[in-house]
Amino acid sequence: NAGVMQNPRHLVRRRGQEARLRCSPMKGHSHVYWYRQLPEEGLKFMVYLQKENIIDESGMPKERFSAEFPKEGPSILRIQQVVRGDSAAYFCASSPNEGRNTEAFFGQGTRLTVV
Amino acid sequence: LAKTTQPISMDSYEGQEVNITCSHNNIATNDYITWYQQFPSQGPRFIIQGYKTKVTNEVASLFIPADRKSSTLSLPRVSLSDTAVYYCLVGGGFKTIFGAGTRLFVKA
Repeated sequence: NAGVMQNPRHLVRRRGQEARLRCSPMKGHSHVYWYRQLPEEGLKFMVYLQKENIIDESGMPKERFSAEFPKEGPSILRIQQVVRGDSAAYFCASSPNEGRNTEAFFGQGTRLTVV
Repeated sequence: LAKTTQPISMDSYEGQEVNITCSHNNIATNDYITWYQQFPSQGPRFIIQGYKTKVTNEVASLFIPADRKSSTLSLPRVSLSDTAVYYCLVGGGFKTIFGAGTRLFVKA
């Protein structure tokens, strides 16, 4: 039973380019969460999705960032016109349901570097 | 969501028992306490979860006093590979708040 798969593991983009980060949840999990982590800091919630629906995007920057979780295929976190401040590790997690005490399973993350 | 407070860092030696305490004064009645472990360049990994008293698994023990305003993660006989960041979370759910965690450094 494969865990949460994220790709690519490392992504380098020049300022102004687009970054696409992919996340395949664990089998049977329909809830996906994206987090951002800056060096030496904890993870910050960005967005929560279920299949074809954005449930909560209160942690997403208002501009340039978007996320989707289509009926088929992985969840995608898209960052348009990247800037140096977008450099961070982006983690995806999945769970079989959404409850206050539900365990989340994390992927290994995508490290985005903007040059 | 309840906020948590835990030490920024701790040092230990191989073979010792390590106890990391977390304060969560505003924990809600239906909140569980969950601990995650994160190694460098990896995502967090679930260690243990509990509601009250004591929970033990093959990796750690979790002690929760009656008032539930704090909890202690106990790692028996740590090894070098236990060097990681440990996060104490309360309530969980999709807006789980990950603070800076506790950086545990195990020395030989």
